[in-house]
Amino acid sequence: DQQVKQNSPSLSVQEGRISILNCDYTNSMFDYFLWYKKYPAEGPTFLISISSIKDKNEDGRFTVFLNKSAKHLSLHIVPSQPGDSAVYFCAASASYGGSQGNLIFGKGTKLSVKP
Amino acid sequence: DSGVTQTPKHLITATGQRVTLRCSPRSGDLSVYWYQQSLDQGLQFLIQYYNGEERAKGNILERFSAQQFPDLHSELNLSSLELGDSALYFCASSAPSGGSYNEQFFGPGTRLTVL
Repeated sequence: DQQVKQNSPSLSVQEGRISILNCDYTNSMFDYFLWYKKYPAEGPTFLISISSIKDKNEDGRFTVFLNKSAKHLSLHIVPSQPGDSAVYFCAASASYGGSQGNLIFGKGTKLSVKP
Repeated sequence: DSGVTQTPKHLITATGQRVTLRCSPRSGDLSVYWYQQSLDQGLQFLIQYYNGEERAKGNILERFSAQQFPDLHSELNLSSLELGDSALYFCASSAPSGGSYNEQFFGPGTRLTVL
């Protein structure tokens, strides 16, 4: 049973336009969410995170939006650059309960930014 | 460079064999996490250690075990290997508090191929 879902395996965007990557979760105990970027032959790299007490967090070109009622979050990249081409993983964590601190990952979305 | 190191980078072995994967966390990090990424799958959490003690278990098979040593490096032991164990194995570490709001920093991974 997948607790974190990224329903789009791939996304193609033109350079300079907005990239929107989506993520849904089912476990209402999740209260911290992260996005990781992964290039081939490298480990995932932390990108941006958001706590459940917020609905938006911004860091430069990257913004994460959280809709708790819909159990949905999204990552916006504006403007998209060719160097952003990578696999993006959404992850969630619960601050209480036996699994606190552990990240549950989605399967990833492969973003291709075309020049 | 995340500061997390993993060795070896690649490992090719036969079914039934036993291997050991090694991870050195970032300087000062007390928590170590192990993840498995199979083809077309997200990262599956296996196990977490905090300052030498097992803290949480995920989808780790009984044939797999791990430990964290006094110098905080960790080893993941995989035994009675099967073809389906072929995957990327990632180690991650997080900041000293071990709390749930600390981002995890990933190593480059070990690619295990079981023939």
